[in-house]
Amino acid sequence: AQSVTQLGSHVSVSEGALVLLRCNYSSSVPPYLFWYVQYPNQGLQLLLKYTSAATLVKGINGFEAEFKKSETSFHLTKPSAHMSDAAEYFCAVSPRGFQKLVFGTGTRLLVSP
Amino acid sequence: ETGVTQTPRHLVMGMTNKKSLKCEQHLGHNAMYWYKQSAKKPLELMFVYSLEERVENNSVPSRFSPECPNSSHLFLHLHTLQPEDSALYLCASSQGTSYEQYFGPGTRLTVT
Repeated sequence: AQSVTQLGSHVSVSEGALVLLRCNYSSSVPPYLFWYVQYPNQGLQLLLKYTSAATLVKGINGFEAEFKKSETSFHLTKPSAHMSDAAEYFCAVSPRGFQKLVFGTGTRLLVSP
Repeated sequence: ETGVTQTPRHLVMGMTNKKSLKCEQHLGHNAMYWYKQSAKKPLELMFVYSLEERVENNSVPSRFSPECPNSSHLFLHLHTLQPEDSALYLCASSQGTSYEQYFGPGTRLTVT
């Protein structure tokens, strides 16, 4: 069965600092991988997705993620944090085929001035 | 309207009331989902509809009753809820169940 682990329920960075949110997955077949962002009292918004093309995936708002098969990881990064990046971030995995997405427990990103 | 819409955005109901949540997707997708998001808990998948048939029901109490009359609309009928049912209820849709889901803004439900 597939699963997702997000290390750290909270991550704090200063404005302008590097953002690194960690996601590790387990899947018995090559997966599709996704990152979502959720602002307070809103739904989840797709940031980026990996579906077996380039291993480095660029998303919206300056975020990117790299698929590393050897490490079973799909960490989310942004070179310079902005106050508006403060939100909750969810990683999700789906094995290829007719199976639903499985979401991680989320990481809350806090950005201080 | 674009994307996935949900109404109402906020709902306060007593434990003896009956109400319904509505979700509509304008993306031409063939799968729809209900999720429950409670404070300090992981996102909980409640129901999955694919091609208008319910394909998953994750041990959800019978006081929650989903309905999918067509591929664009999804309802969640609520009756005799408990205070612990207070949460953000999110609807999502996708083209096929393996692919990215698009979420609505959610309905914030408070049960008094």
